[in-house]
Amino acid sequence: AQRVTQPEKLLSVFKGAPVELKCNYSYSGSPELFWYVQYSRQRLQLLLRHISRESIKGFTADLNKGETSFHLKKPFAQEEDSAMYYCATGGGNKLTFGTGTQLKVEL
Amino acid sequence: DVKVTQSSRYLVKRTGEKVFLECVQDMDHENMFWYRQDPGLGLRLIYFSYDVKMKEKGDIPEGYSVSREKKERFSLILESASTNQTSMYLCASRGTVIFPYEQYFGPGTRLTVT
Repeated sequence: AQRVTQPEKLLSVFKGAPVELKCNYSYSGSPELFWYVQYSRQRLQLLLRHISRESIKGFTADLNKGETSFHLKKPFAQEEDSAMYYCATGGGNKLTFGTGTQLKVEL
Repeated sequence: DVKVTQSSRYLVKRTGEKVFLECVQDMDHENMFWYRQDPGLGLRLIYFSYDVKMKEKGDIPEGYSVSREKKERFSLILESASTNQTSMYLCASRGTVIFPYEQYFGPGTRLTVT
């Protein structure tokens, strides 16, 4: 069964500090991995996907198959990064989401 | 731009009432999903549908049913609402041609059962 673990419910950092949101997954086969973000009073939206190897809003995430991790990183946090972040893994038609990490960027 | 809309942003119902949550997407997507979102539990899949009149149970289907009579519309039904079904309900859709597995979400319906 697919499983996604996000160990931190809340991560608080100061503006300009580096950010790392942790995600570990279990999946048999070749997983598709995603980070979704939900800003206050907005709908859940895709932030990035591992297959694209892209950087969105300064965020990157590298798939580490050995550690089964897909941590989300940003070198310098901005106030507008404050949001709920969900890691998700997919196979077939379904996505399995983690429990989410609330990122709070303090001034 | 994909549009997924949900019939209500906020809904208050009494215990035992039958509740319908409606979701409509305008991108001709084959797949549609219903999740509930609870603090500390993340998003949990209730049901999904991969075609008209087709449905599959997700991880927490108990107490819920669904209906998909038209491709663009996916309804979640609470046959007899209970207080433990108070939650945020999210609908999502996904196509099968572009960007595999990316799901597009609606704004959510916050349901309170009293």
